[in-house]
Amino acid sequence: DTAVSQTPKYLVTQMGNDKSIKCEQNLGHDTMYWYKQDSKKFLKIMFSYNNKELIINETVPNRFSPKSPDKAHLNLHINSLELGDSAVYFCASSQVLEGTRLFGAGTRLSVL
Amino acid sequence: TQLLEQSPQFLSIQEGENLTVYCNSSSVFSSLQWYRQEPGEGPVLLVTVVTGGEVKKLKRLTFQFGDARKDSSLHITAAQPGDTGLYLCAGPGGNNRLAFGKGNQVVVIP
Repeated sequence: DTAVSQTPKYLVTQMGNDKSIKCEQNLGHDTMYWYKQDSKKFLKIMFSYNNKELIINETVPNRFSPKSPDKAHLNLHINSLELGDSAVYFCASSQVLEGTRLFGAGTRLSVL
Repeated sequence: TQLLEQSPQFLSIQEGENLTVYCNSSSVFSSLQWYRQEPGEGPVLLVTVVTGGEVKKLKRLTFQFGDARKDSSLHITAAQPGDTGLYLCAGPGGNNRLAFGKGNQVVVIP
């Protein structure tokens, strides 16, 4: 199946821990993204990579570090997790920067 | 940054009723996209409207792009429980960004 897949689906962890979320797309898209969706369902862009190059870095704490080993993968590493990091994180990809997004199913992160 | 305002924020209706939700902006957009997000899933693209005044239909869903390309509406006829979800509109927001509205949460009660 052609898709954007992210793992894990659920992540429950203690404050102060470091965790990673992985994302892969097999669509041949050049651009990948990370979005954060808070409890009010607002979908906010965090990062955008085009051909492994960082294009957009919104005002995100530097505890969040994206890594793109190749065009098909964009992982998100989070250091020193805080309560406010609890949210659903979506990976997405598109053929062009302002184009249609294909989203993964999301990772629900709960920081206790 | 171009902003998209969606209204109403929340709408609950009985199965079989009709509903309309709106996506408005003070800026002109070259195109607008509508996504539906079901509980526990990511948003899925429903339609893209490109031309001012354009109307697109997807089964019981009718999407309209305003003549001035500043607004769009989504009308659902005879809503079904399967239409429940968060409807998001999005459009090119400049600086290589796709701007998303905050969504219309629709609940269809059986």
